[in-house]
Amino acid sequence: DIQMTQSPASLSASLGETVTIECRASEDIYSNLAWFQQKPGNSPQLLIYDANGLADGVPSRFSGSGSGTQYSLKINSLQSEDVASYFCQQYNNYPLTFGSGTKLEIK
Amino acid sequence: QVQLKESGPGLVQPSQTLSLTCTVSGFSLTSNNVHWVRQPPGKGLEWMGRMRFNGDTSYNSALKSRLSISRDTSKNQVFLKMNSLQTDDTGTYYCTRALFDYWGQGVMVTVSS
Repeated sequence: DIQMTQSPASLSASLGETVTIECRASEDIYSNLAWFQQKPGNSPQLLIYDANGLADGVPSRFSGSGSGTQYSLKINSLQSEDVASYFCQQYNNYPLTFGSGTKLEIK
Repeated sequence: QVQLKESGPGLVQPSQTLSLTCTVSGFSLTSNNVHWVRQPPGKGLEWMGRMRFNGDTSYNSALKSRLSISRDTSKNQVFLKMNSLQTDDTGTYYCTRALFDYWGQGVMVTVSS
């Protein structure tokens, strides 16, 4: 199984700041990576697909990048509504696997 | 409008079988895959398995011996059955469309006597 190592586990930042969350795969996943946002009590929401594709309706302050085994999610101009947990997921191989999550809070 | 909705019992006794239904609308099960994903309270996401558009299934090897996914295309429903439930199977169970672009609201399942 492909292991997804996500960091940091938690993150506190101020409104308007830029934050970056990283995910490392245990082998090359050829950009078959998605990022999800999950607000408390809600289902996960797709943010990014294919490592850098912005999902429908997602604000442009969210962006994804990376290749091979290293990927990142960047959130520009942090807003209060961005408080959530964020997960990466690889879909290059089955079983699909997720990162352990990053909990983002506002300072 | 694409929608998925999970249904099933909120409480299951240890060693018993969990049966969940995912009812979909706005898309066809014969041209889309549907996945099941679960999440223990306060923890991360675990992919459980999928029903392919052609009726084939794939399972997480960690759950394969206990898990079965089936469907009824006439009713637009996908079913999950998992036996020998234990307390660490407690969590929220989601169904989601192939590209993970649409998710159900989730159903909370508690395994307890």
